Amino acid sequence: QSVLTQPPSMSAAPGQTVTISCSGGSSNIGNNYVSWYQQLPGTAPKLLIYDNNQRPSGIPDRFSGSKSGTSATLGITGLQPGDEADYYCGTWDSRLSAGVFGGGTKLTVL
Amino acid sequence: EVQLVESGGGLVQPGGSLRLSCAVSGFTFSGHWMYWVRQAPGKGLMWVSRINKDGRSTNYADSVKGRFTISRDNAKNTLYLQMNSLRDEDTAVYHCTRDLHNGGMDVWGQGTTVTVSS
Repeated sequence: QSVLTQPPSMSAAPGQTVTISCSGGSSNIGNNYVSWYQQLPGTAPKLLIYDNNQRPSGIPDRFSGSKSGTSATLGITGLQPGDEADYYCGTWDSRLSAGVFGGGTKLTVL
Repeated sequence: EVQLVESGGGLVQPGGSLRLSCAVSGFTFSGHWMYWVRQAPGKGLMWVSRINKDGRSTNYADSVKGRFTISRDNAKNTLYLQMNSLRDEDTAVYHCTRDLHNGGMDVWGQGTTVTVSS
């Protein structure tokens, strides 16, 4: 069982907007930065968001991140078929002195 | 081109050892914290270990603490993961990754597969 909780799956139609949640606690999300990753089938994960809401160069602004208290959210607007992937949140856990990931959310673009 | 290339994976019996390597190119290796992240077949990502820029500070997931050792050779631009007392549950693809900022991992290797089985 993951320290960070994500919905196992979500689905939406092309062009729609989705938000993926990541819930934790005060030792992790509450006091540390959150990052988000996209993993397409058969490939290594790709960084989408770091420092809660910053996009690395090359990541389109359709992807956004936010954090409030002990929860974080990844938003994806204008869904495209190519967005169908697994999405993971990650952060540091100060109590564990280790990094932690959410269990992942499988996004299906209908 | 920024690149991370892992090697050293393979089939090992329970209780055995392996040493993974991650050869780095295209950026200043000594300027970045580095990580190992693994993914068991059909499962999610699991954070394994991290090391600071000069190799003097390390952290481990509880499940590998005391069995795995992360290290780096900045002169050789190489990251390592020594894995001892391997268990069936250590079977996974192991990725080395680079820290961009505050734990955001912006560069990933394609991974090396470790299979622990008798």
